[in-house]
Amino acid sequence: DSGVTQTPKHLITATGQRVTLRCSPRSGDLSVYWYQQSLDQGLQFLIQYYNGEERAKGNILERFSAQQFPDLHSELNLSSLELGDSALYFCASSAGQGASSNQPQHFGDGTRLSIL
Amino acid sequence: AQSVAQPEDQVNVAEGNPLTVKCTYSVSGNPYLFWYVQYPNRGLQFLLKYITGDNLVKGSYGFEAEFNKSQTSFHLKKPSALVSDSALYFCAVRGLSGGYNKLIFGAGTRLAVHP
Repeated sequence: DSGVTQTPKHLITATGQRVTLRCSPRSGDLSVYWYQQSLDQGLQFLIQYYNGEERAKGNILERFSAQQFPDLHSELNLSSLELGDSALYFCASSAGQGASSNQPQHFGDGTRLSIL
Repeated sequence: AQSVAQPEDQVNVAEGNPLTVKCTYSVSGNPYLFWYVQYPNRGLQFLLKYITGDNLVKGSYGFEAEFNKSQTSFHLKKPSALVSDSALYFCAVRGLSGGYNKLIFGAGTRLAVHP
């Protein structure tokens, strides 16, 4: 058990809809990362938050947004969903946040999003 | 550009034989390298990391990895494979994005260990 909790485990919705994925990091971790895993794109980094502030941005679409709350849990919001957004979405957390950090990231078991 | 390459989509090995999963990287500065394993319907699990020091790094479940700076490689190894090692393995390098920690993953290598 990594200590990172993601809900829901599965989500089925239709094109054009909006969903929210939730992540609770490991106790004590201040950094939260979001990744998308699909068969054709592999594992893609989306965005990172540290202690409530956005720290790094990857291949995140404008239709997607995220935030980290004062209790350190994070939410990834996906809107105007398209068929191609079907994927596994992972959250990870780590203790460190900056260039000097060598701490590994610990992953949740993901949310499987299916767009019909 | 910072990148990680895993040249093999799949590696097949018989149980009890040694296994190697290959990884090469391209990064400016000193590399921070990681190996993760993913079992079906699960998230990635951290196996081991190289930050500095000995080129041979030991990790979880009997895995080890050898850092080779001249060849820019960080191959994952295990002396004796188990059927339960069958999974998807990812190599990752930490790259800087605006001065902050960002993991760059390889495409993954599927390891199949046959009885």
